[in-house]
Amino acid sequence: SAVISQKPSRDICQRGTSLTIQCQVDSQVTMMFWYRQQPGQSLTLIATANQGSEATYESGFVIDKFPISRPNLTFSTLTVSNMSPEDSSIYLCSVVWLLGLAGEGGTDTQYFGPGTRLTVL
Amino acid sequence: GESVGLHLPTLSVQEGDNSIINCAYSNSASDYFIWYKQESGKGPQFIIDIRSNMDKRQGQRVTVLLNKTVKHLSLQIAATQPGDSAVYFCAVETSYDKVIFGPGTSLSVIP
Repeated sequence: SAVISQKPSRDICQRGTSLTIQCQVDSQVTMMFWYRQQPGQSLTLIATANQGSEATYESGFVIDKFPISRPNLTFSTLTVSNMSPEDSSIYLCSVVWLLGLAGEGGTDTQYFGPGTRLTVL
Repeated sequence: GESVGLHLPTLSVQEGDNSIINCAYSNSASDYFIWYKQESGKGPQFIIDIRSNMDKRQGQRVTVLLNKTVKHLSLQIAATQPGDSAVYFCAVETSYDKVIFGPGTSLSVIP
């Protein structure tokens, strides 16, 4: 089956620094998204990563804090900038496979990567 | 906007029993519903989905029921096994690219 990978899988960072998280897929996708999951909580959509253009951010998330790139159909990055302890979370990318061919769901089903566990000290 | 909720944050069942996890949504226009399973340290894994033109869908040991009248869906797991221990999220698609997740139910299976 198709694979979604994220790097790094986890990291411990100092306050005020930035971390870039990578999401790589091995099959064509139509959509890529970034989510945040705070400890013990559900998933919250940060933004939709658009190929070749600026990401579309959800209310409460801004580009200066969470810059996102998507240079091609199979790769995206999320940067968490000027980190504080409140940014400690799991960050997840999700994808919608082209024509739904790589999954068991429909053509609009989202599939998730393994997540990046970020701890900010 | 859409809101998604669950009736119970935790559920404990005996191994071999059936599990039922419930979810409520608010927008009657929602037309696509997904259940995900998240094991500790992993990303959410697709289990089963259902569209609004159906009221029941079955997979391997899992069944999703959709009651559009009361805006409620449930996930039934037959013969629950220790490997079913995880957090289960229902998710509701409000438009082509927006999905709202419920708060999750933590299922514990007692051997």
